[in-house]
Amino acid sequence: DQQVKQNSPSLSVQEGRISILNCDYTNSMFDYFLWYKKYPAEGPTFLISISSIKDKNEDGRFTVFLNKSAKHLSLHIVPSQPGDSAVYFCAASEDNDMRFGAGTRLTVKP
Amino acid sequence: DAMVIQNPRYQVTQFGKPVTLSCSQTLNHNVMYWYQQKSSQAPKLLFHYYDKDFNNEADTPDNFQSRRPNTSFCFLDIRSPGLGDAAMYLCATSREMRGTNEKLFFGSGTQLSVL
Repeated sequence: DQQVKQNSPSLSVQEGRISILNCDYTNSMFDYFLWYKKYPAEGPTFLISISSIKDKNEDGRFTVFLNKSAKHLSLHIVPSQPGDSAVYFCAASEDNDMRFGAGTRLTVKP
Repeated sequence: DAMVIQNPRYQVTQFGKPVTLSCSQTLNHNVMYWYQQKSSQAPKLLFHYYDKDFNNEADTPDNFQSRRPNTSFCFLDIRSPGLGDAAMYLCATSREMRGTNEKLFFGSGTQLSVL
């Protein structure tokens, strides 16, 4: 039962443009959402998070948007840089349960 | 730098031959987790320790066991690896239990191959 879904396995964008990564979830009890970034041969590292009481959280070039009614969150990267090329995992948590999506591989072309 | 370290980076074992993966942390976190990730799939939680309290996920096979002898170290034992157990195994820590405002710190993972 996959409660967190990232429907796009891959995304390719041009350097300087916006990258938008999407994530959908099914459990309305999730109250905290995170994005992790994973480079090859490294473990996932925390990127940005958002609580369910907010609909937007911004940190530099990274912004996460949460639409609770649609059970959808997205990560915007503006402007995209080649160093942003990585696999991005969406995660959602409720009490002691954290679920991950399968990841989206982002490639930023120079 | 404080971190989560997994050894070895790659592990090859034979079908049915017990194997142990190790994880250590210098973050002094209370919670340690083991995740299994197969290619193009989401990381799947196998179990976690809160301090010395062991918590098994309901669908984790009995073939998988874990030990946490002290705060810093946690081991994943696979008693009789099958071909389906070939995967990346990720260790992670958190200060407190997963939940609001907690984030996980991951090791680099151990890629397990079963021949």
